[in-house]
Amino acid sequence: AQSVTQLDSHVSVSEGTPVLLRCNYSSSYSPSLFWYVQHPNKGLQLLLKYTSAATLVKGINGFEAEFKKSETSFHLTKPSAHMSDAAEYFCVVIVTGAAGNKLTFGGGTRVLVKP
Amino acid sequence: EAGVTQFPSHSVIEKGQTVTLRCDPISGHDNLYWYRRVMGKEIKFLLHFVKESKQDESGMPNNRFLAERTGGTYSTLKVQPAELEDSGVYFCASSSGPNTEAFFGQGTRLTVV
Repeated sequence: AQSVTQLDSHVSVSEGTPVLLRCNYSSSYSPSLFWYVQHPNKGLQLLLKYTSAATLVKGINGFEAEFKKSETSFHLTKPSAHMSDAAEYFCVVIVTGAAGNKLTFGGGTRVLVKP
Repeated sequence: EAGVTQFPSHSVIEKGQTVTLRCDPISGHDNLYWYRRVMGKEIKFLLHFVKESKQDESGMPNNRFLAERTGGTYSTLKVQPAELEDSGVYFCASSSGPNTEAFFGQGTRLTVV
């Protein structure tokens, strides 16, 4: 079985300062991990994904995440927050197989960016 | 290219009524998924179609929920009769293959009063 824990339900940052969203996972298999973002009244958008290649993954809008197997973590970071980063972020684990994708979501982290 | 679209965006119904949610996947995507987020909880898997067949419906909460995908194109999710605890946001997603990126719709917010 797999599970995902997002350690912060809310994160508040000032514009121009770094963003850190923490995610820990549990998986019986080698996991594929994703970060999705949901802006208000929009669908979930894929930010980045880890699928057992490079452990440091770069995504869209300046975000990146590092897979650390020893810590079972997949934290999302961005060096400098922008007002448009205000949204809810979801860490997701998936076990791939012939049956297809069955995504397991974390509880979400809502990011507030202050001017 | 159009993304995944869901109808309606919002629905408010009374307890005991029936509601049908619709999802139009990206054209050509054989895989279609339904997910749900109830207030304050995680987004949870409901079921997965491959074309018109139900590949996995292990997340369906009970027999008041019926999902169909006739012809392997759009899908509907019917709740009959609706209960208060069915309130939440229902997401649909589609993908071209079993292990490729899933694209999500904007969700349908269902409120049962």
